[in-house]
Amino acid sequence: DSGVTQTPKHLITATGQRVTLRCSPRSGDLSVYWYQQSLDQGLQFLIQYYNGEERAKGNILERFSAQQFPDLHSELNLSSLELGDSALYFCASSANARGGLTDTQYFGPGTRLTVL
Amino acid sequence: GENVEQHPSTLSVQEGDSAVIKCTYSDSASNYFPWYKQELGKRPQLIIDIRSNVGEKKDQRIAVTLNKTAKHFSLHITETQPEDSAVYFCAAREAQGGKLIFGQGTELSVKP
Repeated sequence: DSGVTQTPKHLITATGQRVTLRCSPRSGDLSVYWYQQSLDQGLQFLIQYYNGEERAKGNILERFSAQQFPDLHSELNLSSLELGDSALYFCASSANARGGLTDTQYFGPGTRLTVL
Repeated sequence: GENVEQHPSTLSVQEGDSAVIKCTYSDSASNYFPWYKQELGKRPQLIIDIRSNVGEKKDQRIAVTLNKTAKHFSLHITETQPEDSAVYFCAAREAQGGKLIFGQGTELSVKP
C-alpha cells in the first residue's frame, strides 16, 4: 500500500457525461500528479499540482480539468466524455515539486473509467 | 521537453536467466530516473531509482546503471522468477518542474 488513495475504483458512464475522480496523497506530500493509461499504452502525464497550485501541464485535453484543495486532496474532472477517454487514471504524490531525497512519486491504485 | 525511449517492448526469458531493459532520454538536464513495475490492472510500483550523481545502484536481484554521457540507463534483473513477470516502465524526471516522463513499457515474461 503506497498511502495514496483514489476513489472510485471503477466508474462506468455514457458518452457526453461528466465525472470526477478523487485522489488523496500520502500524508505530508504536497505534490499530486495525474496520469492516464489507455489500453496497451504507457503512462501519459496529464497535470501536476503543488500545494494547491497548478505546477505543470502535459497532454491534458481542454475537456479535462483538475484542482487541489487546501487539505491537499485533488480532483480530476472529465467532461463531455468520449469512448476514447476509457482508461485507467492514476494519481501519484510526492513530498515536494522537485529535487532532493523526497522526489519519489508513489502511485495510487487507479480509477478505471469505462465510457459506453 | 523530455522524451524517453524504452526497449524492448516485450521480453521473454527462462526462469533463472537475466533480463535487461534499456532506456534513452533526450534532456541532459534530467536528474532522476526511477523504474516502476506494473502488474495487470494494478498500480505502478517503484522498484529502484537512480540519481544523476550515481552511476550504478543495486538492490538484491535488481540493478540500474546510468550513462549520463550517452543519456541512457538500464534495468538489470538477475535470477529471474515467474513473479517478476509484469510490465516495467522507466522514467526520467524533467529538471524543470519535477514531472516524470515515462517510456513505453516492457512486458517481461518469465517462463518457469
